Amino acid sequence: EAGVAQSPRYKIIEKRQSVAFWCNPISGHATLYWYQQILGQGPKLLIQFQNNGVVDDSQLPKDRFSAERLKGVDSTLKIQPAKLEDSAVYLCASSLVKNQAIYFGEGSWLTVV
Amino acid sequence: DAKTTQPPSMDCAEGRAANLPCNHSTISGNEYVYWYRQIHSQGPQYIIHGLKNNETNEMASLIITEDRKSSTLILPHATLRDTAVYYCIVPPGGGSQGNLIFGKGTKLSVKP
Repeated sequence: EAGVAQSPRYKIIEKRQSVAFWCNPISGHATLYWYQQILGQGPKLLIQFQNNGVVDDSQLPKDRFSAERLKGVDSTLKIQPAKLEDSAVYLCASSLVKNQAIYFGEGSWLTVV
Repeated sequence: DAKTTQPPSMDCAEGRAANLPCNHSTISGNEYVYWYRQIHSQGPQYIIHGLKNNETNEMASLIITEDRKSSTLILPHATLRDTAVYYCIVPPGGGSQGNLIFGKGTKLSVKP
């Protein structure tokens, strides 16, 4: 079974530029998550989708971050404009339903300079 | 929210059992205990979860005390590849794994 796919794997941008990350969850997984992991810290949930609807985006900085999950499968996370403090690993994860194990991708590493 | 407490680091000899403790004294009756680990430069990996009964899978065993205030993750024969940060998580709300709140976890070092 293929795992959660993410791209790009690495990205370096200048502050105030924009960046987009793509995620393809495990086939059939209805729930999709985006986490942010700053170096030395545990991952922090940014947004959770159930199919193509948002369940929880309370920790998403909506002035600069946006996410969508069209057709309830793939998802994109966008940052515009980026700040230095956005340097982190952006992890996509999926689960079959809530109350199930969550499977993470390898992450997209963002460096803002 | 049930908060968890884990030791910051532990060492284990290769081939021996690694026993990782976790305290969750404020856990509610319907909240699960989940364990994940994160190997350097990789995304977190699900290990196991449980509610009341002890659980075992191909990766590990989870022992939950009768009062549910603490649990222990057991890796029966640790290998060098088990070196990772191990997170014990109790998602709030009971039965919902929506928001995994990762703490600092336990950094397990398996030594030859």
